[in-house]
Amino acid sequence: GAVVSQHPSWVICKSGTSVKIECRSLDFQATTMFWYRQFPKQSLMLMATSNEGSKATYEQGVEKDKFLINHASLTLSTLTVTSAHPEDSSFYICSARVRGNRMVTEAFFGQGTRLTVV
Amino acid sequence: RKEVEQDPGPFNVPEGATVAFNCTYSNSASQSFFWYRQDCRKEPKLLMSVYSSGNEDGRFTAQLNRASQYISLLIRDSKLSDSATYLCVVRFSGGYQKVTFGTGTKLQVIP
Repeated sequence: GAVVSQHPSWVICKSGTSVKIECRSLDFQATTMFWYRQFPKQSLMLMATSNEGSKATYEQGVEKDKFLINHASLTLSTLTVTSAHPEDSSFYICSARVRGNRMVTEAFFGQGTRLTVV
Repeated sequence: RKEVEQDPGPFNVPEGATVAFNCTYSNSASQSFFWYRQDCRKEPKLLMSVYSSGNEDGRFTAQLNRASQYISLLIRDSKLSDSATYLCVVRFSGGYQKVTFGTGTKLQVIP
């Protein structure tokens, strides 16, 4: 199946610094990528939807200036957590859809990034 | 009301038992339905899609009831390796076909 590679798999950073997470589709072109956040014992919550070459669409309650999303190519989307704080510590995971396939029945997930802000 | 609701569990069942999970969704415009499995600290992985006619994959059976707006997952002959969190996933029509996850149901299969 399609492969989505997400890096880093885990990161520890100091409060106030920024962290960039990359999500790459390795063997297909992803028109749309989704970024999720999962707190312990909770479900994945959609943060934003990113389309190649356009601005991301953020879900209600997600600060677009804090969580910067760039989808510059059909194979790469990045999420930057700016001025991270301990409450941003979470499991961040990306998901990609295959280009041009509206009937795709599977969302391909990256391996996730566990962010710890100290 | 949450868009997708699941009983968080945990469901503790002995090996060999049959266990069933339900998931309800609130948006009648929901288009597609899936069950994902998530192991601790790992990304979700597709277990199976759910079709209107119901579908089976080995020990796993999924069913959809559009009238009552729920889907179910039945696991027969539970194995220790089935221990995981099972996520109900609903995709809505239109736009970017937003996918919404349920909170997940934790299953623990006991020897």
